[in-house]
Amino acid sequence: GENVEQHPSTLSVQEGDSAVIKCTYSDSASNYFPWYKQELGKRPQLIIDIRSNVGEKKDQRIAVTLNKTAKHFSLHITETQPEDSAVYFCAASVGNYGQNFVFGPGTRLSVLP
Amino acid sequence: DTAVSQTPKYLVTQMGNDKSIKCEQNLGHDTMYWYKQDSKKFLKIMFSYNNKELIINETVPNRFSPKSPDKAHLNLHINSLELGDSAVYFCASSQAKVNTEAFFGQGTRLTVV
Repeated sequence: GENVEQHPSTLSVQEGDSAVIKCTYSDSASNYFPWYKQELGKRPQLIIDIRSNVGEKKDQRIAVTLNKTAKHFSLHITETQPEDSAVYFCAASVGNYGQNFVFGPGTRLSVLP
Repeated sequence: DTAVSQTPKYLVTQMGNDKSIKCEQNLGHDTMYWYKQDSKKFLKIMFSYNNKELIINETVPNRFSPKSPDKAHLNLHINSLELGDSAVYFCASSQAKVNTEAFFGQGTRLTVV
């Protein structure tokens, strides 16, 4: 089955700096890669996603890159703000019947003012 | 207007009791999930249902029994609760055939004492 690894487990950056979180996956059939942000006591919420036919996607300060050959994908947050502090999860999924999201272990991001 | 709603939000119970958590989604999705999030924040899939049919049943004690009366509902019943069952349980749903994001409920914090 799919296995998703995520690094680092914790990340502290100064406000205004960039943050990068990296994930690897094992199942070459995975074709959808969402990133979720979970604030303390809240539900995980999607912040950006990428499909296997795309190499990069950007949404304002957030970008995701995907290398299918190497089976890794990364989240980039630029100009970090204190409200970016949260736990971030990457996930890999194979679509169609019986979609299954396998999540990485999470990265706790702290943005220091 | 809540997309995925689960009840109760908090559940405190004694060891050995039986309890249920309910989940409903109004997004018209065909796939629903139960995830367990432990104290280390790891999101682990427990069950996945597609159109009321069990698709994924990870290594979960058979004290946990999901029930899907229709594709908009996926309830979780837990028998003989143990201390180690204490965690946050998230229900989620997605539209599997279009391979898009999973929407999460607000979570149920289960504490077994």
